[in-house]
Amino acid sequence: GQQLNQSPQSMFIQEGEDVSMNCTSSSIFNTWLWYKQDPGEGPVLLIALYKAGELTSNGRLTAQFGITRKDSFLNISASIPSDVGIYFCAGQLGAGTYKYIFGTGTRLKVLA
Amino acid sequence: DAGITQSPRHKVTETGTPVTLRCHQTENHRYMYWYRQDPGHGLRLIHYSYGVKDTDKGEVSDGYSVSRSKTEDFLLTLESATSSQTSVYFCAIRTGTNSPLHFGNGTRLTVT
Repeated sequence: GQQLNQSPQSMFIQEGEDVSMNCTSSSIFNTWLWYKQDPGEGPVLLIALYKAGELTSNGRLTAQFGITRKDSFLNISASIPSDVGIYFCAGQLGAGTYKYIFGTGTRLKVLA
Repeated sequence: DAGITQSPRHKVTETGTPVTLRCHQTENHRYMYWYRQDPGHGLRLIHYSYGVKDTDKGEVSDGYSVSRSKTEDFLLTLESATSSQTSVYFCAIRTGTNSPLHFGNGTRLTVT
């Protein structure tokens, strides 16, 4: 079945550093979504991308929809302690479809 | 806030007992989903609904059934719980066919 490879699996960074993570797949996606999940809570949508090559920002977060439609990147600039959590990507297969494939997450830990 | 309430938030049950999890939304969205989240796996779709009494299976539907008799409620039932169904269950909604998923805060189910 389709898979999303998300990397890195985890990372420790110093407060103030920039962070990059990515998702890749052999499948072509119509939409890319990025979520953050805090302990005991559900994933919260950070950024949605709908077009190949699209670059979208949300505060200190920037995400890009890869031009091949098989990958996406999330960057966090000037990390702060509250950025700690698990970040998930999700790809939607086909316009309007119910089918989303989720990455296994990047666990981010920020050292003050 | 997508107006999603999941209940219960935590449940411990014994193998072989029936369990029903409830997802309630306040905004009359058409599309509702049930996912499970397990370590090492991305979120995996169990069942979804595209309207009252309109439901379909996802990728891990064995051992689960759903019902949607009202727009606002989507119920997930484990007819006879097994230890492999120990997981965190998330309900999600979509506001339109090309809108992203929004998640509830989850139900942690432990089957002993």
